[in-house]
Amino acid sequence: GDSVTQMEGPVTLSEEAFLTINCTYTATGYPSLFWYVQYPGEGLQLLLKATKADDKGSNKGFEATYRKETTSFHLEKGSVQVSDSAVYFCALSDPGREGKLTFGQGTILTVHP
Amino acid sequence: GAGVSQSPSNKVTEKGKDVELRCDPISGHTALYWYRQSLGQGLEFLIYFQGNSAPDKSGLPSDRFSAERTGGSVSTLTIQRTQQEDSAVYLCASSKPPGPDTQYFGPGTRLTVL
Repeated sequence: GDSVTQMEGPVTLSEEAFLTINCTYTATGYPSLFWYVQYPGEGLQLLLKATKADDKGSNKGFEATYRKETTSFHLEKGSVQVSDSAVYFCALSDPGREGKLTFGQGTILTVHP
Repeated sequence: GAGVSQSPSNKVTEKGKDVELRCDPISGHTALYWYRQSLGQGLEFLIYFQGNSAPDKSGLPSDRFSAERTGGSVSTLTIQRTQQEDSAVYLCASSKPPGPDTQYFGPGTRLTVL
């Protein structure tokens, strides 16, 4: 079945540091890939997505590239801010499963001033 | 415009009681999903409704869990004879067809079973 494996956290960085959160997946079809973010006290919201190989999703300075050959969708940001502190979830939606999302376990990111 | 809303935001109940959780999706969104976020299991899919089709219940953990969607809009997730392991945040999401869909999540209902 489908599965998503995320880099274990928590991740603690200083402001302006470079961020990478690794994500790899297993899917039976040709999935769409997503990063969702959950800020403290808020609901889950979409950060970025990519729907086909070599697509790059980007938003708020975050980027992730759909790598079919390595079945990966790593999240990166060149310079994190304190306001980026949140829980990040990698997820996939297999076209055979009608949009149902399979999530990774989540990575807690804390950014210190 | 209004997003996905859920009620109640918090629910504390005693073991063995039944609970009902409500979800109001975004107007015009025909697909509706329930997920559960718990410490031990992360975020897991529970049930999916699409239009008038039969729901996909493949993620429901036991027959104590059921859900319905009335008039293609509001959905209710019911947990009968609650157990302590049912304690979690229950999230509802809705999306427009067709896929690949971007799901909009509600704020969740935090359920605590004492």
